[in-house]
Amino acid sequence: DAGITQSPRHKVTETGTPVTLRCHQTENHRYMYWYRQDPGHGLRLIHYSYGVKDTDKGEVSDGYSVSRSKTEDFLLTLESATSSQTSVYFCAISESNGSGEKLFFGSGTQLSVL
Amino acid sequence: SQQGEEDPQALSIQEGENATMNCSYKTSINNLQWYRQNSGRGLVHLILIRSNEREKHSGRLRVTLDTSKKSSSLLITASRAADTASYFCATDARGSNYKLTFGKGTLLTVNP
Repeated sequence: DAGITQSPRHKVTETGTPVTLRCHQTENHRYMYWYRQDPGHGLRLIHYSYGVKDTDKGEVSDGYSVSRSKTEDFLLTLESATSSQTSVYFCAISESNGSGEKLFFGSGTQLSVL
Repeated sequence: SQQGEEDPQALSIQEGENATMNCSYKTSINNLQWYRQNSGRGLVHLILIRSNEREKHSGRLRVTLDTSKKSSSLLITASRAADTASYFCATDARGSNYKLTFGKGTLLTVNP
């Protein structure tokens, strides 16, 4: 999956607990994205990063925060997980943000919040 | 908000047949991309078509774009069981700062 590693691959947690998902890339791409995938909704953008310490919100950012202290790592944090955040989370990267840039995706993290 | 919507939601065909999936979108775009997702895996980029292009080919894939109707189609010819996957269109809407918006996908099943 294009030098992208997501960890963990699966996680079960309880409502109200903090959760951090990690995306690690070896491609040295500038742009990194977090999407969530839910039945009936397709993929929706949560947050994205356009460089170290540079991040911005996506379509469904409420309840999520991100950090990028190194080019290769992009962390997604659920400060207090809720059942509505049960989903499959995908990290993606792109070399730039120009029109026509394609995304490369990781294999996903299945998160269950009980 | 969902920019692209695929149709049909699910499609089942026999090996060797052609599969056609459609995508409709709402606003003007810079380009449209198609991605494939095998069960339990991440999405993989298939093909990109720019707003000034009408048709594009890549192997057994043929993509058309009709900007007047705000629609695109993905044709897979001579399908194989290995083509079984979900297929998503993604649009790069003008003014979106090049962020891609994905549709809900078409689940294609190719029966041997």
